[in-house]
Amino acid sequence: GAVVSQHPSRVICKSGTSVKIECRSLDFQATTMFWYRQFPKKSLMLMATSNEGSKATYEQGVEKDKFLINHASLTLSTLTVTSAHPEDSSFYICAGEGGGASTDTQYFGPGTRLTVL
Amino acid sequence: DAKTTQPNSMESNEEEPVHLPCNHSTISGTDYIHWYRQLPSQGPEYVIHGLTSNVNNRMASLAIAEDRKSSTLILHRATLRDAAVYYCILRDFFQKLTFGTGTRLTIIP
Repeated sequence: GAVVSQHPSRVICKSGTSVKIECRSLDFQATTMFWYRQFPKKSLMLMATSNEGSKATYEQGVEKDKFLINHASLTLSTLTVTSAHPEDSSFYICAGEGGGASTDTQYFGPGTRLTVL
Repeated sequence: DAKTTQPNSMESNEEEPVHLPCNHSTISGTDYIHWYRQLPSQGPEYVIHGLTSNVNNRMASLAIAEDRKSSTLILHRATLRDAAVYYCILRDFFQKLTFGTGTRLTIIP
């Protein structure tokens, strides 16, 4: 199956700093990438959808200036959490779809656990 | 988005088949039925999906009711590695995935 990687797998940062999370599709070209967040014992919540070379589409209630998404190539998308605060601590998961992988199937990365002190 | 209903939790003995039910009475004609699973501290993993006919792959089988208002994910021989949260999701073509709370499957050795 198609493989998606994320880096880092976990990160701890101080309040007020920015954190960048990378998402890579390793063996397919992800024309669309998705970013989710998941709080402990809760389900995944979609944050935004991005198509390569276009601006991301954010879900209602997600601050686009706080969660910066860049999808500069068909194999790389980044999520930057700006001025992170403790309430941003969560499990962030990306997914890729399209371009050589099975159509209509999202392939998920392993997730990045962010802890903001 | 059309909604699905799944039991919160299920248990099964190792090496026995597991039938995970999902109800979706408001499914539309263009909704595909997708199943994903999430192991602890990992991202979700695609399991299987179908539209009308039953589907089989190396991981599982998907049995879809004739009226499409329910479906069942079948794991033919459960192993400890199958312990996960299983999500049944309806998705129109290339629309976003909306995750519910899923079914937490526990495998008993």
